[in-house]
Amino acid sequence: DVKVTQSSRYLVKRTGEKVFLECVQDMDHENMFWYRQDPGLGLRLIYFSYDVKMKEKGDIPEGYSVSREKKERFSLILESASTNQTSMYLCASRPSGQNTEAFFGQGTRLTVV
Amino acid sequence: TQLLEQSPQFLSIQEGENLTVYCNSSSVFSSLQWYRQEPGEGPVLLVTVVTGGEVKKLKRLTFQFGDARKDSSLHITAAQPGDTGLYLCAAVLGRRALTFGSGTRLQVQP
Repeated sequence: DVKVTQSSRYLVKRTGEKVFLECVQDMDHENMFWYRQDPGLGLRLIYFSYDVKMKEKGDIPEGYSVSREKKERFSLILESASTNQTSMYLCASRPSGQNTEAFFGQGTRLTVV
Repeated sequence: TQLLEQSPQFLSIQEGENLTVYCNSSSVFSSLQWYRQEPGEGPVLLVTVVTGGEVKKLKRLTFQFGDARKDSSLHITAAQPGDTGLYLCAAVLGRRALTFGSGTRLQVQP
């Protein structure tokens, strides 16, 4: 079974804290993604990576950074958490190719207080 | 403004009814995907449509890709409570980024 694993299902952090969300995939996929999901807005792309150490900004990168030191692991970093970053965060991976399937983790529900 | 606009945003129907969900864009895509997300889970791929005018069937679900490859629809026949979930269309943009629509939340009442 293919698997994308996110390190936490639920997180509560304080405003100003540095937050790390970790994602690991076991499918040797080149591409990995971080999305945030808010009611009525669907999934919005924060960052994606198409190779180790390579990254590109998505639609809403402000306040976030990412790291991909190994092919299987893609980390999302909130440099200084703010309440408007309270959201569901979803990690995904997909192989190269135009029509390939994306596989998602179960999501991390982050609350910033 | 989202690249992929879905309608309706929310749909609540009775078991046995039919429904159609739409995904529209002003851009042309080489393919479109539909995903379903159940509560507490990540989205799961239902289908990929590639050719303009293509129709694909998955049991009671029928997917169509517009002739101009700018839009797609999902039709569910005789909806069941197990169809309840968030339906998302998605397309590949640029190099490799997969972008999603705003989603249609479907609730099927027994």
